[in-house]
Amino acid sequence: AQRVTQPEKLLSVFKGAPVELKCNYSYSGSPELFWYVQYSRQRLQLLLRHISRESIKGFTADLNKGETSFHLKKPFAQEEDSAMYYCALSGLSGNQFYFGTGTSLTVIP
Amino acid sequence: NAGVTQTPKFQVLKTGQSMTLQCAQDMNHNSMYWYRQDPGMGLRLIYYSASEGTTDKGEVPNGYNVSRLNKREFSLRLESAAPSQTSVYFCASKEVDQPQHFGDGTRLSIL
Repeated sequence: AQRVTQPEKLLSVFKGAPVELKCNYSYSGSPELFWYVQYSRQRLQLLLRHISRESIKGFTADLNKGETSFHLKKPFAQEEDSAMYYCALSGLSGNQFYFGTGTSLTVIP
Repeated sequence: NAGVTQTPKFQVLKTGQSMTLQCAQDMNHNSMYWYRQDPGMGLRLIYYSASEGTTDKGEVPNGYNVSRLNKREFSLRLESAAPSQTSVYFCASKEVDQPQHFGDGTRLSIL
């Protein structure tokens, strides 16, 4: 069963425009949600986790349990934000991780 | 600290050949993971090891075996490589209640 859904494979926005990368999940219980980013030819790195409630590189994400969503947002996109973004879910045990299929974000100068 | 180190970075195999992908971490993490990354599929968990001495199947374990050699090292073996196993393989490690740290990946092509 698909646990993490990222409906957009590709997303292009102009520099300075707001950006939202969508993530929906299905999981019984209380999962932990993450956003990972992979810049060109680099390793995946953690961007955000929902329990931290931080803003990293201007990105924020709020867990909406009613809508089972964890969308990633940034008010003003920058060229350096161009990358592959993965939403991920960790179950209760903390050992099983489920990744979405990823969204490739391109910020147009 | 190097973090998570994967070797080799690139490999080309012929169908039916075997090989082992190596992964080592220097962060004293208990849990380690192997994923494969395919276009349009995202990352899929192959096997994981919650602690030294234990291994468990993930989402796509068929065709693979793993060994948790010690706390630092977690290897992935392809006994008889198939073209469907052409992929980018990522190793990751984590500690309890912490996010995963990933290696640089191994690009594997099977002809």
